[in-house]
Amino acid sequence: GAVVSQHPSWVICKSGTSVKIECRSLDFQATTMFWYRQFPKQSLMLMATSNEGSKATYEQGVEKDKFLINHASLTLSTLTVTSAHPEDSSFYICSASQELNYGYTFGSGTRLTVV
Amino acid sequence: EDQVTQSPEALRLQEGESSSLNCSYTVSGLRGLFWYRQDPGKGPEFLFTLYSAGEEKEKERLKATLTKKESFLHITAPKPEDSATYLCAVGSSNTGKLIFGQGTTLQVKP
Repeated sequence: GAVVSQHPSWVICKSGTSVKIECRSLDFQATTMFWYRQFPKQSLMLMATSNEGSKATYEQGVEKDKFLINHASLTLSTLTVTSAHPEDSSFYICSASQELNYGYTFGSGTRLTVV
Repeated sequence: EDQVTQSPEALRLQEGESSSLNCSYTVSGLRGLFWYRQDPGKGPEFLFTLYSAGEEKEKERLKATLTKKESFLHITAPKPEDSATYLCAVGSSNTGKLIFGQGTTLQVKP
C-alpha cells in the first residue's frame, strides 16, 4: 500500500531558530500534499495544501511567512517553521494524495517542541 | 459550510461490548468519507473509504456504513487493542480538502 515517510519524528529547538520537516511518498507520486497541525486532545487542523511545482495554498489564519512549504518534486514536500517560538510547539502531520479519490495517506507525524 | 461532527467525544466499553460511533457531515460535494484510527503520538492510520449512500465496508471487528448525512463505525466485540481515537473525515470535491471531525476516543477495558 501507499506509504508516506515523515522526518524527524520529534525535534526540540531553541526559540528563534528554524526547523525543517520532510514528508516523502515512498511508493507513489503525490500530486498533492497537505500539512496539518494537531494540538493535544484535538483533531487535525489543515494548515496548507501544496501541489508539485506551485506555491502552497494556506488556510485562513496560517502565516505563510512563518510556515514555509516547498513541494519541489512529486515525492517530497517540506515544511519549515521559521523563527520558532514556544507557541509553535505542536504535532505536525503531512498527508499525500495520488488522486484524491484514492484516499489520503498520512505520515507518522513530527512532535516539535520549542524551548 | 463543510462540517464534520463526531459523537460521542469519548466512549468507554468493556471488552466484548459492541457499540457504534457516529459521524454527521455536511459537504458541498462528497468525494469520499474516510475513517482513520489514531494512536497517541502517531499519524492517522487509514481504515475505510466510503463513496455513496448505502455503501458498507468491513475489516475484522469494524464495519463502516454511510448515508447521505452520516456514517457509523460499528465495533463488534471490541478488544483492548481497539482502544484509540477514531477520526472521521470528508473529502470535498469542490476544494479537494479533507475535513476532519473532532474524533471519538475509545477505551476498551479488559
